Amino acid sequence: DAGITQSPRHKVTETGTPVTLRCHQTENHRYMYWYRQDPGHGLRLIHYSYGVKDTDKGEVSDGYSVSRSKTEDFLLTLESATSSQTSVYFCAIPRTGGNTGELFFGEGSRLTVL
Amino acid sequence: AQSVSQHNHHVILSEAASLELGCNYSYGGTVNLFWYVQYPGQHLQLLLKYFSGDPLVKGIKGFEAEFIKSKFSFNLRKPSVQWSDTAEYFCAVSHSGGYQKVTFGTGTKLQVIP
Repeated sequence: DAGITQSPRHKVTETGTPVTLRCHQTENHRYMYWYRQDPGHGLRLIHYSYGVKDTDKGEVSDGYSVSRSKTEDFLLTLESATSSQTSVYFCAIPRTGGNTGELFFGEGSRLTVL
Repeated sequence: AQSVSQHNHHVILSEAASLELGCNYSYGGTVNLFWYVQYPGQHLQLLLKYFSGDPLVKGIKGFEAEFIKSKFSFNLRKPSVQWSDTAEYFCAVSHSGGYQKVTFGTGTKLQVIP
């Protein structure tokens, strides 16, 4: 299976604090994605990247920023966390060499904002 | 924008019962279709996929899905469910060609009672 790891896996923080989640891949893939999963909403795309320093917004990008300075790392930052950002965050990369939409997901990062 | 509808939010079945989960999408062009499964506490895993060809696709663990283009549907089926199929199931759609932005349905929680 593809190598993709997320850190931290669990985090509890307070409203107003900055939080950074890291996604690391060993597949050298050009595309990387950040999703959030919430009950009743499924998975929603926050941001995606199509190369080093190339990123774009997804459908729920407000309150989030991303950076990709290396192919293997895609960082998701909450500049000032809010309770509405309590969620499980999944990083994903394309499962195949192409980009068919078939995704491989990381283990997830559960974030609780108090 | 493309969207995906999963009509059943929570399904409870007894072991050996047959399963059918509905999925409808809205997009007029060529699509790639997926079903993902998420077992309790785990990340999403690919169950099956459709890109082209035979509209009846078979996946892992005895699951299958049928693409009906005229109905914009991609329903998931299994003739006889097992307790181990208890999980949440997500339908997903991506455009064919170019960058793939994947849209997920809201998910269906399946509970199989022994």
